[in-house]
Amino acid sequence: EAGVTQFPSHSVIEKGQTVTLRCDPISGHDNLYWYRRVMGKEIKFLLHFVKESKQDESGMPNNRFLAERTGGTYSTLKVQPAELEDSGVYFCASSRRGGYTNSPLHFGNGTRLTVT
Amino acid sequence: SQQGEEDPQALSIQEGENATMNCSYKTSINNLQWYRQNSGRGLVHLILIRSNEREKHSGRLRVTLDTSKKSSSLLITASRAADTASYFCATDRGGNNDMRFGAGTRLTVKP
Repeated sequence: EAGVTQFPSHSVIEKGQTVTLRCDPISGHDNLYWYRRVMGKEIKFLLHFVKESKQDESGMPNNRFLAERTGGTYSTLKVQPAELEDSGVYFCASSRRGGYTNSPLHFGNGTRLTVT
Repeated sequence: SQQGEEDPQALSIQEGENATMNCSYKTSINNLQWYRQNSGRGLVHLILIRSNEREKHSGRLRVTLDTSKKSSSLLITASRAADTASYFCATDRGGNNDMRFGAGTRLTVKP
């Protein structure tokens, strides 16, 4: 099966600009997650979709971040306007159907975002 | 909020030696998972241990879980240069498969 894919792999933007990250989960995976890692620190949870619904968005830093998952397939994460502290690697992960506990996460290779 | 905290932050060993990494967490869990990340790549799932299990093996990996101490350890036996990577523990707190990760242990295995 195809893995989790993320696009773009790298993005360099200026402060104040907008960036949209995309994640295509493994087909049939209801759970989709966004995480962020900044400068070798912890992998910080951002939010969790079950199909098209936001199960938990408690990790979203502020209202400059908007995640969507229309139709319960791919997801986008938009940062608008970007700030310097938004730089980091954004990971997407997916796992099997919602409510199925003990399900491993499958990660994409991440998008490295640099805000200058 | 951060859940798992790995210790040590970095570990350097010679090929053939064993590597032990520890993870502590703060709240009750449903399960604990270990992942590996090679530089520039995504995380790869290694092993999952449920809260009612105390030890689990997979090839050269051995994971223990002590829920009374809220800690886990990952042992890699007979390490190889290819084991060089960052290792993360993650915990599922509420049974919703919401996984929380720590900052990882950077393992370097010298040939």
